[in-house]
Amino acid sequence: QVQLQGSGPGLVKPSETLSLTCAVSGYSISSGYYWGWIRQPPGKGLEWIGSTHHSGSTFYNPSLKSRVAISIDTSKNQFSLNLSSVTAADTAVYYCARAILWFGDFYWGQGTLVIVSS
Amino acid sequence: SSELTQDPAVSVALGQTVRITCQGDSLRSYYASWYQQKPGQAPVLVIFAKNNRPSAIPDRFSGSSSGDTASLTITGAQAEDEADYYCNSRDSSGNHVLFGGGTKLTVL
Repeated sequence: QVQLQGSGPGLVKPSETLSLTCAVSGYSISSGYYWGWIRQPPGKGLEWIGSTHHSGSTFYNPSLKSRVAISIDTSKNQFSLNLSSVTAADTAVYYCARAILWFGDFYWGQGTLVIVSS
Repeated sequence: SSELTQDPAVSVALGQTVRITCQGDSLRSYYASWYQQKPGQAPVLVIFAKNNRPSAIPDRFSGSSSGDTASLTITGAQAEDEADYYCNSRDSSGNHVLFGGGTKLTVL
């Protein structure tokens, strides 16, 4: 059974970079599937951030693309999210997830709340 | 278009059937997936690739699609089905993921 555990700072200052990591257990990332990040501002809906594959194929939300980087570390069996130049609007629960048939149908890990505040 | 539209709220009497819809131009070309989210919890996939259920999902959940609209049907709604439901799919380019705005289901 694949499990995903996100981790990272719960508080980030405005203009800094938000960095989260998702550790995967029960499955080798290098074996396949897309791996993604989705966020949910408090009391609001879901927003896809991006999805990546160990082959290097990566898709990003065009509204975030200039600030986002998603990477995979197969040696640690984890993938990461970096979101630069954050503002209060980036405050959200960030979920990491594993895709199934394409890069956007997801099994979800538990979320990580990130607050952007000075 | 580059959006998926859902009704904000739907209600159903206990034991009755309810349909939750998701409308968008890209659904003419791509299947929708559906997610259930209860307060304080991560979303759970209930339907993928139009009408496939993960093994842990009860068979009262089903999916369908016609034209630009995808639907999630719950046949015999239970109290535990009260939750927010989100659809998602690709955008018209096929290169990005869209989520609908979510539908809050109330079981009366």
